[in-house]
Amino acid sequence: GESVGLHLPTLSVQEGDNSIINCAYSNSASDYFIWYKQESGKGPQFIIDIRSNMDKRQGQRVTVLLNKTVKHLSLQIAATQPGDSAVYFCAENRANNAGNMLTFGGGTRLMVKP
Amino acid sequence: GAGVSQTPSNKVTEKGKYVELRCDPISGHTALYWYRQSLGQGPEFLIYFQGTGAADDSGLPNDRFFAVRPEGSVSTLKIQRTERGDSAVYLCASSLTPGREWDNEQFFGPGTRLTVL
Repeated sequence: GESVGLHLPTLSVQEGDNSIINCAYSNSASDYFIWYKQESGKGPQFIIDIRSNMDKRQGQRVTVLLNKTVKHLSLQIAATQPGDSAVYFCAENRANNAGNMLTFGGGTRLMVKP
Repeated sequence: GAGVSQTPSNKVTEKGKYVELRCDPISGHTALYWYRQSLGQGPEFLIYFQGTGAADDSGLPNDRFFAVRPEGSVSTLKIQRTERGDSAVYLCASSLTPGREWDNEQFFGPGTRLTVL
């Protein structure tokens, strides 16, 4: 199917290298953040989340860093693999939401070169 | 187990027509969300259901858009008098509860690609 995000910023990395994808958020009231991966023709897939009372959280091959001072999030992927190629979105959940509605950022396309 | 499913996967319609998009959430998930994703952008929230009721419809762009979830499971997004600007991928997500606790992950379906000619 048609690719998601034809006009997105692109990060190109060599297989095996580490990747860092950045995201800025605007609402200082946001207290819960999530990174999603979206492959072409599919819905977003949860990768990792973090609360605002933390500045780092690690998963399998992924680490999310949160800098509340400058309202910045980053996703680090270790030993990037071809299967990591996708569009990555950060999302925030604002503290005044009763539910879990998410506000997504604009996304970054990650391309992994073999 | 089965994930979130959406039908149809693609829908082509003419300007002015009425369309319905269906979402089957994961069984037992009480919270259901609709998002819209335009090309090159992240998903944008449309409406959120807790059970059968729409708890927040603040993201619906205008009164041509409406969604229902009559039995607290399947949901239908309805668009009247479609316009070319409605062309997008419509994503549905569900979560076990609506809360904001850890591990309350939203599981997304593959989306319905709507094209209005």
